Amino acid sequence: AQSVSQHNHHVILSEAASLELGCNYSYGGTVNLFWYVQYPGQHLQLLLKYFSGDPLVKGIKGFEAEFIKSKFSFNLRKPSVQWSDTAEYFCAVSGRGYQKVTFGTGTKLQVIP
Amino acid sequence: EPEVTQTPSHQVTQMGQEVILRCVPISNHLYFYWYRQILGQKVEFLVSFYNNEISEKSEIFDDQFSVERPDGSNFTLKIRSTKLEDSAMYFCASRDSPTEAFFGQGTRLTVV
Repeated sequence: AQSVSQHNHHVILSEAASLELGCNYSYGGTVNLFWYVQYPGQHLQLLLKYFSGDPLVKGIKGFEAEFIKSKFSFNLRKPSVQWSDTAEYFCAVSGRGYQKVTFGTGTKLQVIP
Repeated sequence: EPEVTQTPSHQVTQMGQEVILRCVPISNHLYFYWYRQILGQKVEFLVSFYNNEISEKSEIFDDQFSVERPDGSNFTLKIRSTKLEDSAMYFCASRDSPTEAFFGQGTRLTVV
């Protein structure tokens, strides 16, 4: 069975600080990896995804993530956060094809101006 | 930009009542999903649907739940007899490729 662990449940940062959110997954096959963001009162939006190729993936709004296969990790990073990044961030995994997406428990990010 | 739309945005129902949550997936998508998120918990998979049948379902998706694509555009989730623990945000998603699932804004279901 696939599973996703997010280590940080609640992160508080000041604007311009660097961000790294941890994500580890468990899956017995080739994976697709995602980071979704949920702004207050809004739906889940895709930040970035990894399917194959370059393990360093760049997404929207200056976010990036690195897939490290040996560590089963897919950590999310941003060099300098803004107040508008305040949201909940979900790491997710699915197998190849159209299989279900399994989400982590989410990390609430609060950015203080 | 095409989007998945869900109605209603918030539904309050009495325990034991039936509810139908509605979703309009993106028009050329063929794979449909329902997820739920109980307050403070993670997003959980309920069911996937393709070619007018369920392709996968979770343990949560018991006999009280059913899904239907009644008219080729809507995709509905029915809960036959709601329980307090069904209170959650329910998300519909659709896909036309393995690369990305598009999610709706969710329906907040409150069972009282």
